Amino acid sequence: DQQVKQNSPSLSVQEGRISILNCDYTNSMFDYFLWYKKYPAEGPTFLISISSIKDKNEDGRFTVFLNKSAKHLSLHIVPSQPGDSAVYFCAASGSQGGSEKLVFGKGTKLTVNP
Amino acid sequence: DAGITQSPRHKVTETGTPVTLRCHQTENHRYMYWYRQDPGHGLRLIHYSYGVKDTDKGEVSDGYSVSRSKTEDFLLTLESATSSQTSVYFCAIRGGPTVNEKLFFGSGTQLSVL
Repeated sequence: DQQVKQNSPSLSVQEGRISILNCDYTNSMFDYFLWYKKYPAEGPTFLISISSIKDKNEDGRFTVFLNKSAKHLSLHIVPSQPGDSAVYFCAASGSQGGSEKLVFGKGTKLTVNP
Repeated sequence: DAGITQSPRHKVTETGTPVTLRCHQTENHRYMYWYRQDPGHGLRLIHYSYGVKDTDKGEVSDGYSVSRSKTEDFLLTLESATSSQTSVYFCAIRGGPTVNEKLFFGSGTQLSVL
C-alpha cells in the first residue's frame, strides 16, 4: 500500500520555464512533508520542507505548496535550470508512523533542456 | 557535507554468500538508517537505529540484519545474499528524533548479487 505517490516518473521542461512536480499522499496522519533531490551516483540531499500548519513554503527558486484537503503537495521550480536535472523524491512523516521515519515516494526524474 | 562514509562503494557477490555494508559517521548523530533504492520503488527503509544497540525494522527488513555497537558505525548484513537484494543501498543519519532535523545521506553502495 503506497502511502506517498509520485505518479509522474519523468518530466521534461525547457530552461527558464516552470517545473511542477506533484505528490499525493493517503495517510491523513502525515503532518510534515519534504522534498529531496538526487543526482546520479550521489545520495539524496534535502531540498525544502513544509509543515501541515502551512500551505506554502518558499526558498529561492523553490516553492512547495500543500493542499491538505486534497492530500496533495507540489514543488515548483522557477525558473528551471539545467542543473536542476535530477530525481526528486517526495517524503512524508507523521505521528502515526513515528516521527523518526520518513515514507518516500518513487521519485520523479526531471530533465531541464537548455 | 555531513560526515558519512559508506563502504564499499561497489560490490559484486554471488548468491548465498554473506555481505556486510558499513556506514560510518563523524557527526555523533543518534539516529542512523539504511535504505535501498530500486527503479520503480523509490527509497525504502530497511532498518534504523535510535542509539547504540537500539535498532528497529523498516518496511523491507526481511533478509537483512543490522548492528550498532558504536555511535559512529551502523552495519547492514545480508546473511545469504539473493538476486532480489541487488540494489543501491544508502545510509542516512539524523541528529534528533523529529523530521525537523534533516536526514543526511551517504553516497551509496551499489550491490550486485549474481
